[in-house]
Amino acid sequence: AQKITQTQPGMFVQEKEAVTLDCTYDTSDPSYGLFWYKQPSSGEMIFLIYQGSYDQQNATEGRYSLNFQKARKSANLVISASQLGDSAMYFCAMREGGNDYKLSFGAGTTVTVRA
Amino acid sequence: NAGVTQTPKFQVLKTGQSMTLQCAQDMNHEYMSWYRQDPGMGLRLIHYSVGAGITDQGEVPNGYNVSRSTTEDFPLRLLSAAPSQTSVYFCASSKYAGGPFHEQFFGPGTRLTVL
Repeated sequence: AQKITQTQPGMFVQEKEAVTLDCTYDTSDPSYGLFWYKQPSSGEMIFLIYQGSYDQQNATEGRYSLNFQKARKSANLVISASQLGDSAMYFCAMREGGNDYKLSFGAGTTVTVRA
Repeated sequence: NAGVTQTPKFQVLKTGQSMTLQCAQDMNHEYMSWYRQDPGMGLRLIHYSVGAGITDQGEVPNGYNVSRSTTEDFPLRLLSAAPSQTSVYFCASSKYAGGPFHEQFFGPGTRLTVL
């Protein structure tokens, strides 16, 4: 079964607007971490933001915030005030404590920011 | 700090050839892993290691070998290259102690083509 599901293959967003990228996860492990990575066209993997399963508050890092809804098993990424440089592939990923901390990735969402 | 380094950046092999992809990190991370990324897919785990002398299989280990003789280095060996191994390979490292709450740091990737 898929551990991480990203249902939006591609999205377009206008510059300066906010965009939400969906991510749902599947685990019965009480101890896990959720991560978002950005992959620009140059190919490198850039860590954006992290949410731990025991964290009470949603994570924020600059223009990135993570909308963590534990009961729904969702961890959506919100990018505020989109910039042209935000055009990239975005991956949601999860590490589970009972799975030797292996990192499982979703298929990714391509974001294109329009001027 | 150089972070995670990978060599080579590009490689073309003929079917049946063997080669080693090099990976090194200078962050004293216990956890290291190898992923492959195919078009339209997220990263898939090949092998991982939780410390020197300890390795284990990931999701797609067939056709690959690893060893971990030092904390810093984690080479990936292709035993007999096949066209199905054409992919982009990423090495990553992270802390291990303290749970599945540490982000993985990725190398720049190796683009491998098997003819």
